[in-house]
Parts: sequence; C-alpha cells; structure tokens
Amino acid sequence: DAKTTQPTSMDCAEGRAANLPCNHSTISGNEYVYWYRQIHSQGPQYIIHGLKNNETNEMASLIITEDRKSSTLILPHATLRDTAVYYCISLRENTDKLIFGTGTRLQVFP
Amino acid sequence: EAGVTQSPTHLIKTRGQQATLRCSPISGHTSVYWYQQALGLGLQFLLWYDEGEERNRGNFPPRFSGRQFPNYSSELNVNALELEDSALYLCASSLMGLAGGSSSYNEQFFGPGTRLTVL
Repeated sequence: DAKTTQPTSMDCAEGRAANLPCNHSTISGNEYVYWYRQIHSQGPQYIIHGLKNNETNEMASLIITEDRKSSTLILPHATLRDTAVYYCISLRENTDKLIFGTGTRLQVFP
Repeated sequence: EAGVTQSPTHLIKTRGQQATLRCSPISGHTSVYWYQQALGLGLQFLLWYDEGEERNRGNFPPRFSGRQFPNYSSELNVNALELEDSALYLCASSLMGLAGGSSSYNEQFFGPGTRLTVL
C-alpha cells in the first residue's frame, strides 16, 4: 500500500471550509484513498473514500487530482465538533487492514 | 442499530500478567479487526478474524493472540504483559474482510476501545 503524507496540524475557523491535503505520490492504479478521523478518546470514524473521481457525501467531499498523486478532503462548513485527527489512507482493493499514518490534527476555533 | 462494543473500558495490569479484551461486532458483521494505539506510535494493525479464523496479523509478537467465536465476537489476549503494551486497543468490524472479488471495500466501524495500562 502506498505511503501517504499529511501536514501535522491545521487550524480552521468555525463555519469556514477546512481543506486537508494528502500526498500519495506512489499510489498504484488499484489503490483507493480513504479518510478516517479520530475525535479525542474515541475510535476512528470513516468519512469518505474514492478511487479516481471526486466524491461527496453528507460529511465531506474528496477531491483527487487527475494523476492521483494527491487528494484533498473538504469539510465545507467546519464546526467545533470537527476538531479531530484526520487520517488519509491508501488501500488496495480486496485488502483488509488499514495502515494509519500520523494524520493531521485539525483544530477548529470559534 | 448498536455499534461495535468493547469491554472493559479500562484495564490495569502489572508486568507479566495476562490481559483479555473483548469485542462485539455490529450485528451481521463477520470480520473483526484489532488495532493498537500506543502513545506516540499511532494506530497499528494487530489481527484480523473472519468467520472464526485468523486471516492476517500485524508485526506483533506471538504473545498477542486472539480468537473469534461462532457469534463473531472476539477476544484479544496479551500474555506476559510488558510496560510498552500500555495502549488503547481498538476493535473494528466489517461485513467481510475481502469484498468477494468486487472492487468495493467494506468500511470498518470502530468501537470506543479498551485502555490497557501496564504497571
């Protein structure tokens, strides 16, 4: 599975969009990009995943570059409850274990 | 629908003892995964059970073991506890570990974890 790199931390004002980048320059054609987040003292929570196309759900949007070497998770209107560590994970199809990196600690402030 | 549950919430042991952690997956899920989150080391994959069998394990010594019961619940056992085993142990479940050949991946749902402290 490709290694991913993320900034260690980011800040975002409440109500603004939070854009969290992830580099996965060694990603291969059958690897998906997954995003999870972990709010303090809780288990990780699935957010979204994608392969090539941009994806959107009720929580977030995922923008994947055309060359698939990087992606951005967008929380359109960040709230204080979005403060968490966000993990970007690349995962081959039909595999099982998630390999978590160090993630990005997002702090949403009032 | 009830989520993944884990027990106990906290567990305190001393070096050399054994610890047993339990996990109940979401109803209908057959796969259970165990992860260790030690301070400063991030989440590390430990074990994967599916349909009662161990399917994969991470880079951990044999004193970390477990099993999955016919009702798909699971136990993680850690023998000969060491101080560095102190961590949050997370269990996750999914419908199946390998998505039957399809290109979709079955999302893992995590429990709240068991915090193990080894003194």
